[in-house]
Amino acid sequence: DTGVSQDPRHKITKRGQNVTFRCDPISEHNRLYWYRQTLGQGPEFLTYFQNEAQLEKSRLLSDRFSAERPKGSFSTLEIQRTEQGDSAMYLCASSLFFSHGTSGNYEQYFGPGTRLTVT
Amino acid sequence: DAKTTQPNSMESNEEEPVHLPCNHSTISGTDYIHWYRQLPSQGPEYVIHGLTSNVNNRMASLAIAEDRKSSTLILHRATLRDAAVYYCILREEAGNMLTFGGGTRLMVKP
Repeated sequence: DTGVSQDPRHKITKRGQNVTFRCDPISEHNRLYWYRQTLGQGPEFLTYFQNEAQLEKSRLLSDRFSAERPKGSFSTLEIQRTEQGDSAMYLCASSLFFSHGTSGNYEQYFGPGTRLTVT
Repeated sequence: DAKTTQPNSMESNEEEPVHLPCNHSTISGTDYIHWYRQLPSQGPEYVIHGLTSNVNNRMASLAIAEDRKSSTLILHRATLRDAAVYYCILREEAGNMLTFGGGTRLMVKP
């Protein structure tokens, strides 16, 4: 397994356009997370899935953002009507979670990120 | 998740040990202490985690204070490839996301 992959690695778009990013997690991982990172800051949590169910969304995830994981494998993050403030690195991570265990233990594996620039 | 405090930056010489401190005075009994690092132009990567006892793995050691209000990540011999931002994160037992702070930027001098 080559780890978590993200596509595209870079995206430049004009303000007002829609963009979609894809994340392919490690194959046996049931949890998938999206984070956003702006320059000089640590990543900020956006949302996460367990299998195909979206279990939590940050208040950072405005109505213009939507994420899906339709078959519990890959995930997409769409941003509608992009704004310059959406310019950031969008990171995806995955992990393996057992319901009888403690999620405090389970490390997350991150992809390389998609860098979005809105002009 | 409880808050952590780390120095903004640290410098080290190559092949010397590095001790990266983290304060977490509001830690709760069920919080795990995780360390991740982010190399330039890459996503974060897991380094180590612990609950109460000191931990060792191939990348680093984690020393946890007896009262758990602080911890130290130890890189035994820093290399140029260890130059990165190191994040200390507390994660609740039932928590799911990682809450990153600003981290410590480690610079390694040859």
